[in-house]
Amino acid sequence: DIQMTQSPSSLSASVGDRVTITCRASQSISNYLNWYQQKPGKAPKLLIYTASSLQSGVPSRFSGSGSGTDFTLSISGLQPEDFATYYCQQSYSTPWITFGQGTRLEIK
Amino acid sequence: EVQLVESGGGLVQPGESLRLSCAASGFTFSNSWMHWVRQAPGKGLVWVSRISSDGLSTTYTDSVKGRFTISRDNAKNTLYLQMNSLRAEDTAVYYCASPTMTTRAFDMWGQGTMVTVSS
Repeated sequence: DIQMTQSPSSLSASVGDRVTITCRASQSISNYLNWYQQKPGKAPKLLIYTASSLQSGVPSRFSGSGSGTDFTLSISGLQPEDFATYYCQQSYSTPWITFGQGTRLEIK
Repeated sequence: EVQLVESGGGLVQPGESLRLSCAASGFTFSNSWMHWVRQAPGKGLVWVSRISSDGLSTTYTDSVKGRFTISRDNAKNTLYLQMNSLRAEDTAVYYCASPTMTTRAFDMWGQGTMVTVSS
């Protein structure tokens, strides 16, 4: 299985800050990397697909980059509604999809 | 409106069975590959199973192989997960999800149904 490792596991930031979350794959996954946002008691929501493409309806303050094994999710100008848990997911080895362990973004 | 609605979760004892359903609407279900993803309380997301659009191809994660069966009824626009020989470690919220075939990203998710396995 392809292992996905996110860092940090948790992060404190303030409204208006810019934050970056990193995801590393245990082997090259090309650009088959997706990012999701999950709020408590809710289903995950797709933010970014194929590493850098913004899902329809997602604010442009979210951006993704990377290829191969190293990827980042950046959020510029944090808004109150952005405080949530973020997961990366590789879809290179479909159907054996794997997710990162999650990054919890908290209000400082 | 595109919608996936899970049902069938509940509290069962170890060794018992449960069948989850996922009702789809607002898109062409019969053209869509479907997945189950679970999330144990306070933990991350774990892929469980996948079924092809015609139901002929199924795949499972190792921990549920031989115990869980994914199936679908395209006439009823419904996905199923039959879970047998349930264990405490199967306790989780179970989501059905559908990926966009070109991007392989899950752009559709249900709201989830909770399965608790406990004596």
